[in-house]
Amino acid sequence: DVKVTQSSRYLVKRTGEKVFLECVQDMDHENMFWYRQDPGLGLRLIYFSYDVKMKEKGDIPEGYSVSREKKERFSLILESASTNQTSMYLCASSYREFGRDEKLFFGSGTQLSVL
Amino acid sequence: AQSVTQLGSHVSVSEGALVLLRCNYSSSVPPYLFWYVQYPNQGLQLLLKYTSAATLVKGINGFEAEFKKSETSFHLTKPSAHMSDAAEYFCAVRSGANSKLTFGKGITLSVRP
Repeated sequence: DVKVTQSSRYLVKRTGEKVFLECVQDMDHENMFWYRQDPGLGLRLIYFSYDVKMKEKGDIPEGYSVSREKKERFSLILESASTNQTSMYLCASSYREFGRDEKLFFGSGTQLSVL
Repeated sequence: AQSVTQLGSHVSVSEGALVLLRCNYSSSVPPYLFWYVQYPNQGLQLLLKYTSAATLVKGINGFEAEFKKSETSFHLTKPSAHMSDAAEYFCAVRSGANSKLTFGKGITLSVRP
């Protein structure tokens, strides 16, 4: 089975801290994504990557950056955490070639609380 | 531009009753449509997908959905609800093979004994 692993299930940080959320997939997927999930708002795309060292902004990139130095790992960085970044963060991966398998594989999520 | 509308935030049914979760989409080109499910404390997993083949799509756990172009809908149904179906359900749309996936706001399904 494909596994998408997020490094922490729960994380508590203070306002202004630099926060790293890590995601690793073991299926050799080209595409990786970071979403945040908030009640009543569904999933919103923060950043995604189609290849190593490549990144593209999603719908809500402000306050976030990402890093993809290796194919299997995609990191989300909060440069200076703020309370409005308290949320559930979900990482996902997929093949680049659409006809190969269109579905996203998700990690279990990291619940981040910024105090 | 593409978008998905899931009206309401919560649906409650009795065990054994029909499940109907509604999804309407907007897309400038023929869409690819998906339903994902999220069980408590888990990530999302794919229930089923429409990718321009048969309009009636069958998924896992007895769920199915029908693509209706004239109504721009992709409603999810299951004839008989089970307690284990209690979860949050997300409809998603993709306008073309190279576009990103856009999710709806999700709907929580509760199943009463």
